[in-house]
Amino acid sequence: KAGVTQTPRYLIKTRGQQVTLSCSPISGHRSVSWYQQTPGQGLQFLFEYFSETQRNKGNFPGRFSGRQFSNSRSEMNVSTLELGDSALYLCASSPGTSGNTIYFGEGSWLTVV
Amino acid sequence: AQSVTQPDIHITVSEGASLELRCNYSYGATPYLFWYVQSPGQGLQLLLKYFSGDTLVQGIKGFEAEFKRSQSSFNLRKPSVHWSDAAEYFCAVGGINTGTASKLTFGTGTRLQVTL
Repeated sequence: KAGVTQTPRYLIKTRGQQVTLSCSPISGHRSVSWYQQTPGQGLQFLFEYFSETQRNKGNFPGRFSGRQFSNSRSEMNVSTLELGDSALYLCASSPGTSGNTIYFGEGSWLTVV
Repeated sequence: AQSVTQPDIHITVSEGASLELRCNYSYGATPYLFWYVQSPGQGLQLLLKYFSGDTLVQGIKGFEAEFKRSQSSFNLRKPSVHWSDAAEYFCAVGGINTGTASKLTFGTGTRLQVTL
């Protein structure tokens, strides 16, 4: 069974640009969550999508958005990039119901210059 | 608000020695607890989880953790550390309800160094 796949793995963007990151969950999983990891703030929850609907949201500005497709694949978008958005963005996949194990992908490393 | 505290930022142990990583949580309901490990430049690998039942849970790579509700703790242990265990370890808490199960709050992590 394939794991959680995130693309691209590494990218460099310029301040003010926007970026889209993609996540393919484990087959059969309906929940996809996104996390930001930085040295200063640690691991922080961005949002969760379940069956194409945003089910939970963290405390991030509106520049951070996401969506989920009917095949459960998810994308997150960051608009008007700031230097502080440089981070490892991790996607997590689970069946989406109580007690399920949550699996993480390898992450997408975003550098904003 | 939920929170997780990992009081030890950095721990060094000798190969073959025992290990205990501390984790304390604050959660307004019954928690769903995890330990993950992260090697440099990698994602998070699940070591073990506690959802309900036996408070001593076994995980991969010889790790175990004990849930103590009275102390709000979920400490990770390993009887004999291997050099390959050097990594960063994260404790996380989520809810047991379907709507909150995937919204995890993480601790700040404990970096484990293993000396030969």
